[in-house]
Amino acid sequence: GESVGLHLPTLSVQEGDNSIINCAYSNSASDYFIWYKQESGKGPQFIIDIRSNMDKRQGQRVTVLLNKTVKHLSLQIAATQPGDSAVYFCAEIIYNQGGKLIFGQGTELSVKP
Amino acid sequence: KAGVTQTPRYLIKTRGQQVTLSCSPISGHRSVSWYQQTPGQGLQFLFEYFSETQRNKGNFPGRFSGRQFSNSRSEMNVSTLELGDSALYLCASTPGQTSEKLFFGSGTQLSVL
Repeated sequence: GESVGLHLPTLSVQEGDNSIINCAYSNSASDYFIWYKQESGKGPQFIIDIRSNMDKRQGQRVTVLLNKTVKHLSLQIAATQPGDSAVYFCAEIIYNQGGKLIFGQGTELSVKP
Repeated sequence: KAGVTQTPRYLIKTRGQQVTLSCSPISGHRSVSWYQQTPGQGLQFLFEYFSETQRNKGNFPGRFSGRQFSNSRSEMNVSTLELGDSALYLCASTPGQTSEKLFFGSGTQLSVL
């Protein structure tokens, strides 16, 4: 079956440090991956995405790495700020299985000032 | 441009009742998806609509139903509520037919007593 899970449920970092949030997926047919950020009382907010034919993609202060060999996805946040404190979800789409977005369980990131 | 709007924001019901939740997508978006979020199960896909047609359905009982109107607004209904239906119900919209880059609303927090 398909599932997307996270290695660490919580992550605490010091302001200014880099954060790395990890995600494992089980279906090698996954086509597309997305990272979402959810702040308290809000819905998930799109951060960055990557297609399965890529292994790295960079955004503003964020980088997503995809290792298809070990079915691993990571989100790197540079110079983490208090405003980055939130729950981060990885999610995947498998187009030949309906194309719905499947979410992982989430990692809570806490940034200490 | 206004974001995804969900109403009501909070709802309290008792077991056995039914409930209808509403979602107005971002203007111009034709696809609407619904998710249930609970602390134990995370974000679970309910269903997806595009141009008034259900394109995908998750693994929820028939008590959960939805529909989409010609103006892309969507409603979901839960009949014969159970305590386990207490959750945050999130609606998301996207311009095209894929679930890439979903834009989420803030959700409706449903409590079943």
